[in-house]
Amino acid sequence: GESVGLHLPTLSVQEGDNSIINCAYSNSASDYFIWYKQESGKGPQFIIDIRSNMDKRQGQRVTVLLNKTVKHLSLQIAATQPGDSAVYFCAENPFSGGYNKLIFGAGTRLAVHP
Amino acid sequence: EPEVTQTPSHQVTQMGQEVILRCVPISNHLYFYWYRQILGQKVEFLVSFYNNEISEKSEIFDDQFSVERPDGSNFTLKIRSTKLEDSAMYFCASSAQGVQSPLHFGNGTRLTVT
Repeated sequence: GESVGLHLPTLSVQEGDNSIINCAYSNSASDYFIWYKQESGKGPQFIIDIRSNMDKRQGQRVTVLLNKTVKHLSLQIAATQPGDSAVYFCAENPFSGGYNKLIFGAGTRLAVHP
Repeated sequence: EPEVTQTPSHQVTQMGQEVILRCVPISNHLYFYWYRQILGQKVEFLVSFYNNEISEKSEIFDDQFSVERPDGSNFTLKIRSTKLEDSAMYFCASSAQGVQSPLHFGNGTRLTVT
């Protein structure tokens, strides 16, 4: 499959450890945020979302934290598995700049080692 | 689970030729999008489409690009006269409620312009 993001920042973790992937967003008026996972040769896959009136949201093995003060978003993956290896993107809806588009961040590659 | 499907998976064309990339969004979704991803770079917004018209477009989406929903199921992206720099992965996405709900992406069409 296609190798996406040859020069992406990489987070390497051991299988079973927890992973934290960080994202800084640009627009203080953004009101909706999504984390996507992209495996080689595939399109972005929805993981979890959060609205700006929340600071934490939990899913299955994943938690998203939102700090609006410093415009920071993080994705925590518990008990990381080899199948979690992928590129992870945060995306924001820049409400003040337009209603109907999501803007993606640069991405982080997660490498899970057995 | 319903999914967005894209055809072809890989398209090779010569510079100056027209290409049409095809997408079948999720059937009850009303908002449609095209994004592209140049190798090693992030996912870039091209255009959003709702109610049979473009609602947002980026600077990339110039006069060489057009979108169409020719029937009740397909959503197409046409590039009239391809350039070398149009080589990229093109992703179609759809959502139920615009960008206040998750966008669901297809697995993309890899466009190679020679």
